[in-house]
Amino acid sequence: GQQVMQIPQYQHVQEGEDFTTYCNSSTTLSNIQWYKQRPGGHPVFLIQLVKSGEVKKQKRLTFQFGEAKKNSSLHITATQTTDVGTYFCARTDSNYQLIWGAGTKLIIKP
Amino acid sequence: EPEVTQTPSHQVTQMGQEVILRCVPISNHLYFYWYRQILGQKVEFLVSFYNNEISEKSEIFDDQFSVERPDGSNFTLKIRSTKLEDSAMYFCASSPDRVREQYFGPGTRLTVT
Repeated sequence: GQQVMQIPQYQHVQEGEDFTTYCNSSTTLSNIQWYKQRPGGHPVFLIQLVKSGEVKKQKRLTFQFGEAKKNSSLHITATQTTDVGTYFCARTDSNYQLIWGAGTKLIIKP
Repeated sequence: EPEVTQTPSHQVTQMGQEVILRCVPISNHLYFYWYRQILGQKVEFLVSFYNNEISEKSEIFDDQFSVERPDGSNFTLKIRSTKLEDSAMYFCASSPDRVREQYFGPGTRLTVT
């Protein structure tokens, strides 16, 4: 199945700065899911986007699904230490397998 | 809140040995999955299970792997003859529906020596 490309691999930010991770696909996505994995932890579901152009917010997190349903982004406003972890996007393929992006690791600079 | 549980949390085994990783999915979920994650890398799909049979499996899930739901609660992953490259974190997940979110267990860290 088609992979999802996720960038950047790492992002170092000062606490209070914003963070964004992007997922891109060459084919139209039926949906996109976002997960967070804390260091040493397991993936935890954040949200699923289904509709073209959809924007959803969870407190300081804003999730977008592109108009063409080929890209998605997660933006965190004013990062806090509790945001540290790796953020993964994942798509379901035609066999309903979850195909994962490589993840973006959010690192807060001391 | 219901959660997926996995045992053991860490398993050390010698190359060539068999291991069984255990999972208890959330009780009213119908779809079950195994994933692996090599340290620092992305999550890789292994297999999905529905209605007491495998529904999908990846290229990684070769003949050395098998899954079973021996009773109404447990979901197991067996690796018949472990190799060094099987060392990874193995996550079990369950979902009420195949298009909805998946709930992950805490994982089993498998170390093959």
